[in-house]
Amino acid sequence: AQKITQTQPGMFVQEKEAVTLDCTYDTSDPSYGLFWYKQPSSGEMIFLIYQGSYDQQNATEGRYSLNFQKARKSANLVISASQLGDSAMYFCAMREGYTDKLIFGTGTRLQVFP
Amino acid sequence: DSGVTQTPKHLITATGQRVTLRCSPRSGDLSVYWYQQSLDQGLQFLIHYYNGEERAKGNILERFSAQQFPDLHSELNLSSLELGDSALYFCASSVVGDYGYTFGSGTRLTVV
Repeated sequence: AQKITQTQPGMFVQEKEAVTLDCTYDTSDPSYGLFWYKQPSSGEMIFLIYQGSYDQQNATEGRYSLNFQKARKSANLVISASQLGDSAMYFCAMREGYTDKLIFGTGTRLQVFP
Repeated sequence: DSGVTQTPKHLITATGQRVTLRCSPRSGDLSVYWYQQSLDQGLQFLIHYYNGEERAKGNILERFSAQQFPDLHSELNLSSLELGDSALYFCASSVVGDYGYTFGSGTRLTVV
């Protein structure tokens, strides 16, 4: 069965520093997609970044980059130059190819301090 | 504004009651997905509709049902509500084949 694992319940980072949020996945499908979403305290789910299983290069979106290591089945999110507004829950998710649904991890709560 | 509209934003109701949550997808998106986010279960996929037809079911209780109408908006009906149904219910939409899923702001359901 497909599964997403986020082993860090909480992370702290100082403003302007970089932080890595871990995500490992398990799937037997050769074609899959990996996503990161941010959920601030207000509750909405904000799309951050996407990585396809066949993409040769790691995805980047502004201050967000995805460290994709296919052999290790990991898709870690790197946030550079952290800002106070980055404090939120972060979810890693994988698209299941057959049903097109997203399978989510349990999330990591990131707190950025001055 | 993500383009996906969910109403109502908040709902408080008593056990045993029935409620309807509504979702209008982003313009052009044919797929609608419903997710439940609770403290104990995390984010769980409930159901997926594509252009009016059910495509996939997840951990959706028999007391719950959904449909997608010809104008592509979707409704999630929750009946015989229990305290454990209290959760944040998200709707997301996408164009099949596109990797983007856009989430609405959610409906926070509280069952008392």
